[in-house]
Amino acid sequence: DAGVIQSPRHEVTEMGQEVTLRCKPISGHDYLFWYRQTMMRGLELLIYFNNNVPIDDSGMPEDRFSAKMPNASFSTLKIQPSEPRDSAVYFCASRNTDTQYFGPGTRLTVL
Amino acid sequence: QKEVEQNSGPLSVPEGAIASLNCTYSDRGSQSFFWYRQYSGKSPELIMFIYSNGDKEDGRFTAQLNKASQYVSLLIRDSQPSDSATYLCAVGERSNYQLIWGAGTKLIIKP
Repeated sequence: DAGVIQSPRHEVTEMGQEVTLRCKPISGHDYLFWYRQTMMRGLELLIYFNNNVPIDDSGMPEDRFSAKMPNASFSTLKIQPSEPRDSAVYFCASRNTDTQYFGPGTRLTVL
Repeated sequence: QKEVEQNSGPLSVPEGAIASLNCTYSDRGSQSFFWYRQYSGKSPELIMFIYSNGDKEDGRFTAQLNKASQYVSLLIRDSQPSDSATYLCAVGERSNYQLIWGAGTKLIIKP
């Protein structure tokens, strides 16, 4: 199994630009989670989906953040417009039974 | 607010000794408990999970759960330099598929 796949692995952009992060979950997993990790705040849950439906987006920091899951094998997290404080590592994780498996993450730097 | 607390460390342990990592949680309704390991620059990876009071062993790792004290720990026997990492404790409820994450304990194994 290829595991959770994320792209890009690194993204450097300028303030105000749109950023799209992508995730392919493990086949057969019905839950997908988006996290953000920083030194200051640790690992924060942004949003999670069950069977492609958003269940809880209370962790999405602002309206600048949006996430979609158009099918069982693909999800996006979009930031528009991006700001320097959005700089972090963004992880996607998928789940079967009780265990979450993480992708390699996208390191986002907003200048 | 549901919380999971860990000592941030660093916890320094000599090679070959037992490393003991601790985690407390606030929600008595919690039913699933996870330990993840995260190497610098990498994504969290599951070490083990535990649901019932008592000990659960997997190789050099032992998870201990005490629901009455709302306490979960991870013991690493015969510590190796390759065990040096940040260890994240995560707690979940059966009725809610989110995990509440601790901030992590940085473990350093000294040769």
